[in-house]
Amino acid sequence: AQSVSQHNHHVILSEAASLELGCNYSYGGTVNLFWYVQYPGQHLQLLLKYFSGDPLVKGIKGFEAEFIKSKFSFNLRKPSVQWSDTAEYFCAVNFLNTDKLIFGTGTRLQVFP
Amino acid sequence: NAGVTQTPKFRVLKTGQSMTLLCAQDMNHEYMYWYRQDPGMGLRLIHYSVGEGTTAKGEVPDGYNVSRLKKQNFLLGLESAAPSQTSVYFCASRRRSLSTDTQYFGPGTRLTVL
Repeated sequence: AQSVSQHNHHVILSEAASLELGCNYSYGGTVNLFWYVQYPGQHLQLLLKYFSGDPLVKGIKGFEAEFIKSKFSFNLRKPSVQWSDTAEYFCAVNFLNTDKLIFGTGTRLQVFP
Repeated sequence: NAGVTQTPKFRVLKTGQSMTLLCAQDMNHEYMYWYRQDPGMGLRLIHYSVGEGTTAKGEVPDGYNVSRLKKQNFLLGLESAAPSQTSVYFCASRRRSLSTDTQYFGPGTRLTVL
Protein backbone atom coordinates (compact mmCIF):
# COMPACT_ATOMS: atom_id res chain seq x y z
CA ALA A 1 0.00 0.00 0.00
CA GLN A 2 1.13 3.55 -0.67
CA SER A 3 2.24 5.27 2.52
CA VAL A 4 4.08 8.29 3.84
CA SER A 5 6.24 8.27 6.97
CA GLN A 6 7.32 11.16 9.13
CA HIS A 7 9.69 9.85 11.75
CA ASN A 8 9.92 12.97 13.89
CA HIS A 9 6.70 13.28 15.84
CA HIS A 10 7.67 16.17 18.08
CA VAL A 11 10.66 18.48 17.66
CA ILE A 12 11.67 21.16 20.13
CA LEU A 13 14.19 23.80 19.09
CA SER A 14 15.51 27.14 20.22
CA GLU A 15 15.29 30.12 17.91
CA ALA A 16 18.08 30.27 15.32
CA ALA A 17 18.60 26.50 15.41
CA SER A 18 18.55 24.61 12.14
CA LEU A 19 15.65 22.35 11.26
CA GLU A 20 15.35 19.18 9.26
CA LEU A 21 12.16 17.13 9.21
CA GLY A 22 12.18 13.75 7.56
CA CYS A 23 9.64 12.41 5.09
CA ASN A 24 9.78 9.07 3.30
CA TYR A 25 7.25 7.47 1.03
CA SER A 26 6.66 4.00 -0.28
CA TYR A 27 7.59 3.24 -3.85
CA GLY A 28 4.77 3.87 -6.28
CA GLY A 29 6.15 5.31 -9.46
CA THR A 30 5.96 8.99 -10.33
CA VAL A 31 5.07 11.27 -7.46
CA ASN A 32 4.22 14.86 -6.63
CA LEU A 33 5.46 15.91 -3.20
CA PHE A 34 4.18 18.53 -0.80
CA TRP A 35 4.83 20.02 2.58
CA TYR A 36 1.91 21.66 4.35
CA VAL A 37 1.99 23.66 7.57
CA GLN A 38 -0.78 24.07 10.13
CA TYR A 39 -0.35 26.95 12.56
CA PRO A 40 -2.21 26.61 15.87
CA GLY A 41 -5.94 26.84 15.33
CA GLN A 42 -5.64 27.28 11.59
CA HIS A 43 -6.12 25.20 8.47
CA LEU A 44 -3.40 23.65 6.37
CA GLN A 45 -1.40 25.89 4.08
CA LEU A 46 1.03 24.91 1.37
CA LEU A 47 4.71 25.48 2.23
CA LEU A 48 6.24 24.09 -0.93
CA LYS A 49 5.83 21.44 -3.58
CA TYR A 50 7.84 19.40 -6.03
CA PHE A 51 6.58 18.20 -9.40
CA SER A 52 9.69 17.88 -11.55
CA GLY A 53 13.02 19.51 -12.34
CA ASP A 54 15.47 20.77 -9.72
CA PRO A 55 15.12 18.42 -6.74
CA LEU A 56 15.87 21.27 -4.34
CA VAL A 57 12.74 23.35 -4.01
CA LYS A 58 12.30 26.57 -2.12
CA GLY A 59 9.08 27.53 -0.43
CA ILE A 60 7.69 30.33 1.64
CA LYS A 61 9.19 31.68 4.86
CA GLY A 62 12.70 30.41 4.11
CA PHE A 63 11.80 26.73 3.96
CA GLU A 64 13.27 24.37 1.40
CA ALA A 65 13.04 20.66 0.68
CA GLU A 66 15.15 18.20 -1.22
CA PHE A 67 13.75 15.32 -3.22
CA ILE A 68 16.09 12.32 -3.23
CA LYS A 69 14.53 9.80 -5.56
CA SER A 70 16.86 6.94 -4.66
CA LYS A 71 15.92 7.28 -0.99
CA PHE A 72 12.21 7.98 -1.58
CA SER A 73 12.66 11.01 0.64
CA PHE A 74 11.54 14.64 0.66
CA ASN A 75 13.03 16.24 3.76
CA LEU A 76 12.11 19.74 4.86
CA ARG A 77 14.81 22.15 6.01
CA LYS A 78 15.23 25.62 7.37
CA PRO A 79 18.62 27.03 8.35
CA SER A 80 17.38 29.18 11.22
CA VAL A 81 13.96 28.75 12.80
CA GLN A 82 11.89 31.45 14.41
CA TRP A 83 9.34 31.34 17.20
CA SER A 84 6.65 31.96 14.57
CA ASP A 85 7.52 28.63 12.94
CA THR A 86 5.84 26.81 15.81
CA ALA A 87 3.28 24.67 14.01
CA GLU A 88 2.53 21.19 12.80
CA TYR A 89 4.12 20.12 9.53
CA PHE A 90 2.70 17.53 7.20
CA CYS A 91 4.36 15.79 4.31
CA ALA A 92 2.00 14.62 1.58
CA VAL A 93 2.49 12.59 -1.56
CA ASN A 94 0.39 12.28 -4.67
CA PHE A 95 1.13 9.00 -6.37
CA LEU A 96 0.27 9.74 -9.96
CA ASN A 97 -1.66 6.57 -10.55
CA THR A 98 -4.24 7.86 -8.05
CA ASP A 99 -6.31 10.99 -7.50
CA LYS A 100 -5.44 11.21 -3.82
CA LEU A 101 -2.92 12.77 -1.49
CA ILE A 102 -1.49 10.54 1.18
CA PHE A 103 -0.46 12.45 4.29
CA GLY A 104 2.13 11.61 6.87
CA THR A 105 1.16 11.68 10.53
CA GLY A 106 2.69 15.11 11.02
CA THR A 107 5.54 16.61 13.03
CA ARG A 108 4.81 19.05 15.79
CA LEU A 109 7.48 21.74 15.96
CA GLN A 110 7.89 23.93 19.01
CA VAL A 111 10.35 26.80 18.85
CA PHE A 112 11.33 28.56 22.05
CA PRO A 113 12.73 32.10 22.13
CA ASN B 1 -12.88 34.91 -3.82
CA ALA B 2 -13.47 33.04 -0.57
CA GLY B 3 -11.58 29.87 -1.52
CA VAL B 4 -12.83 26.86 0.44
CA THR B 5 -15.42 27.42 3.14
CA GLN B 6 -16.94 24.99 5.62
CA THR B 7 -20.17 25.09 7.57
CA PRO B 8 -20.50 24.79 10.53
CA LYS B 9 -17.25 25.62 12.35
CA PHE B 10 -18.20 23.75 15.53
CA ARG B 11 -20.84 21.20 16.42
CA VAL B 12 -21.69 18.97 19.36
CA LEU B 13 -23.84 15.91 18.72
CA LYS B 14 -25.23 13.16 20.86
CA THR B 15 -24.60 9.56 19.89
CA GLY B 16 -27.05 8.49 17.21
CA GLN B 17 -27.83 11.96 15.90
CA SER B 18 -27.26 12.84 12.29
CA MET B 19 -25.76 15.88 10.64
CA THR B 20 -24.39 17.20 7.36
CA LEU B 21 -21.21 19.18 6.90
CA LEU B 22 -21.10 21.52 3.94
CA CYS B 23 -18.01 22.36 1.92
CA ALA B 24 -18.12 25.02 -0.76
CA GLN B 25 -15.43 26.25 -3.13
CA ASP B 26 -15.51 29.11 -5.59
CA MET B 27 -12.40 28.21 -7.58
CA ASN B 28 -14.17 25.98 -10.11
CA HIS B 29 -12.09 23.02 -8.97
CA GLU B 30 -12.97 19.58 -10.24
CA TYR B 31 -11.69 17.57 -7.30
CA MET B 32 -12.93 17.80 -3.73
CA TYR B 33 -11.96 15.86 -0.60
CA TRP B 34 -13.07 15.26 2.94
CA TYR B 35 -10.47 14.44 5.60
CA ARG B 36 -10.53 13.90 9.30
CA GLN B 37 -7.66 14.96 11.52
CA ASP B 38 -6.95 13.16 14.77
CA PRO B 39 -3.98 13.62 17.12
CA GLY B 40 -0.99 11.54 16.08
CA MET B 41 -2.72 10.24 12.96
CA GLY B 42 -2.36 13.10 10.52
CA LEU B 43 -5.06 13.59 7.94
CA ARG B 44 -7.00 10.59 6.74
CA LEU B 45 -9.12 10.68 3.64
CA ILE B 46 -12.78 9.86 4.16
CA HIS B 47 -14.31 10.33 0.70
CA TYR B 48 -13.46 12.30 -2.38
CA SER B 49 -14.96 13.39 -5.67
CA VAL B 50 -13.36 13.91 -9.05
CA GLY B 51 -16.32 15.70 -10.52
CA GLU B 52 -19.96 16.61 -10.17
CA GLY B 53 -22.09 13.55 -9.55
CA THR B 54 -19.15 11.26 -8.73
CA THR B 55 -17.78 10.14 -5.36
CA ALA B 56 -15.28 7.57 -4.17
CA LYS B 57 -14.18 6.05 -0.89
CA GLY B 58 -10.98 7.02 0.84
CA GLU B 59 -9.12 5.35 3.72
CA VAL B 60 -11.81 5.66 6.41
CA PRO B 61 -15.25 5.86 4.75
CA ASP B 62 -17.29 3.80 7.22
CA GLY B 63 -20.04 5.74 8.96
CA TYR B 64 -19.97 8.59 6.43
CA ASN B 65 -21.76 9.37 3.21
CA VAL B 66 -21.11 12.12 0.68
CA SER B 67 -22.80 13.83 -2.22
CA ARG B 68 -21.58 16.13 -4.99
CA LEU B 69 -24.71 17.39 -6.69
CA LYS B 70 -23.12 20.68 -7.70
CA LYS B 71 -19.52 21.22 -8.72
CA GLN B 72 -18.92 23.82 -6.04
CA ASN B 73 -20.37 21.85 -3.12
CA PHE B 74 -19.35 18.64 -1.39
CA LEU B 75 -21.49 17.40 1.48
CA LEU B 76 -20.37 15.01 4.22
CA GLY B 77 -23.11 13.22 6.13
CA LEU B 78 -23.09 11.32 9.39
CA GLU B 79 -26.25 9.24 9.59
CA SER B 80 -25.79 8.01 13.16
CA ALA B 81 -22.95 9.75 14.95
CA ALA B 82 -20.61 7.79 17.22
CA PRO B 83 -18.02 9.06 19.74
CA SER B 84 -15.30 7.65 17.45
CA GLN B 85 -16.29 10.32 14.94
CA THR B 86 -15.20 13.09 17.26
CA SER B 87 -12.59 14.83 15.16
CA VAL B 88 -11.69 17.90 13.15
CA TYR B 89 -12.96 17.62 9.59
CA PHE B 90 -11.26 19.39 6.73
CA CYS B 91 -12.47 19.83 3.21
CA ALA B 92 -10.09 20.46 0.33
CA SER B 93 -10.32 21.08 -3.38
CA ARG B 94 -7.92 21.11 -6.30
CA ARG B 95 -7.80 21.67 -10.00
CA ARG B 96 -6.57 18.80 -12.05
CA SER B 97 -3.75 19.83 -14.33
CA LEU B 98 -0.18 18.85 -15.04
CA SER B 99 1.43 21.92 -13.59
CA THR B 100 -0.64 22.74 -10.57
CA ASP B 101 -1.83 19.98 -8.33
CA THR B 102 -2.11 21.76 -4.98
CA GLN B 103 -4.97 21.08 -2.62
CA TYR B 104 -6.56 24.09 -0.96
CA PHE B 105 -8.01 23.51 2.47
CA GLY B 106 -10.98 24.92 4.29
CA PRO B 107 -10.82 26.16 7.90
CA GLY B 108 -12.16 22.94 9.41
CA THR B 109 -15.17 21.80 11.42
CA ARG B 110 -14.61 20.66 14.98
CA LEU B 111 -17.14 17.94 15.79
CA THR B 112 -17.69 16.42 19.20
CA VAL B 113 -19.93 13.39 19.65
CA LEU B 114 -21.01 12.73 23.22
